[in-house]
Amino acid sequence: RKEVEQDPGPFNVPEGATVAFNCTYSNSASQSFFWYRQDCRKEPKLLMSVYSSGNEDGRFTAQLNRASQYISLLIRDSKLSDSATYLCVVSNNNDMRFGAGTRLTVKP
Amino acid sequence: NAGVTQTPKFQVLKTGQSMTLQCAQDMNHNSMYWYRQDPGMGLRLIYYSASEGTTDKGEVPNGYNVSRLNKREFSLRLESAAPSQTSVYFCASSPLYNQPQHFGDGTRLSIL
Repeated sequence: RKEVEQDPGPFNVPEGATVAFNCTYSNSASQSFFWYRQDCRKEPKLLMSVYSSGNEDGRFTAQLNRASQYISLLIRDSKLSDSATYLCVVSNNNDMRFGAGTRLTVKP
Repeated sequence: NAGVTQTPKFQVLKTGQSMTLQCAQDMNHNSMYWYRQDPGMGLRLIYYSASEGTTDKGEVPNGYNVSRLNKREFSLRLESAAPSQTSVYFCASSPLYNQPQHFGDGTRLSIL
């Protein structure tokens, strides 16, 4: 079993839709969680950190469920510019592990 | 701001050739990392340097060596390239170890 697992998608949604991605992790000692965004043939860029209480940044909401060992990312009112691959990242004291990513395409 | 700069951006090698990938950051970060990204695999950590003067193996270190030349620079060396090392290589840095990372724009390496 991979340490960090994501549904690869692709998720194809119309503009304005709400879409949610989940990411599961296997190491219960994991302490820090992040979502990164990666555009095609570009480098990953930090989208947001994920806090225990959940956090929101504009149209983006991140949640952490330690009991079930997953994190989620919710995107409201999708824009064409949200089309990208979203990478889940899980970290403990020793290392940081990336999921393989979920691909999102937002269509007009 | 330059951020994290990688050179070269593209390279084609023959099996058995050696090569060094260069990485420099101008953000005064303590920690630096080298990853490879293959289709369907996500980013996998090759080596990292938690602070100047230290380097450690990551998830997939075989076939690679690294040098933390100073606080700014962290190089990755392939001593004898193999086709299995064909990949996109990303360098990253962070203020402290395991904090969110800033990435360079990658080196696309093909081994024939």
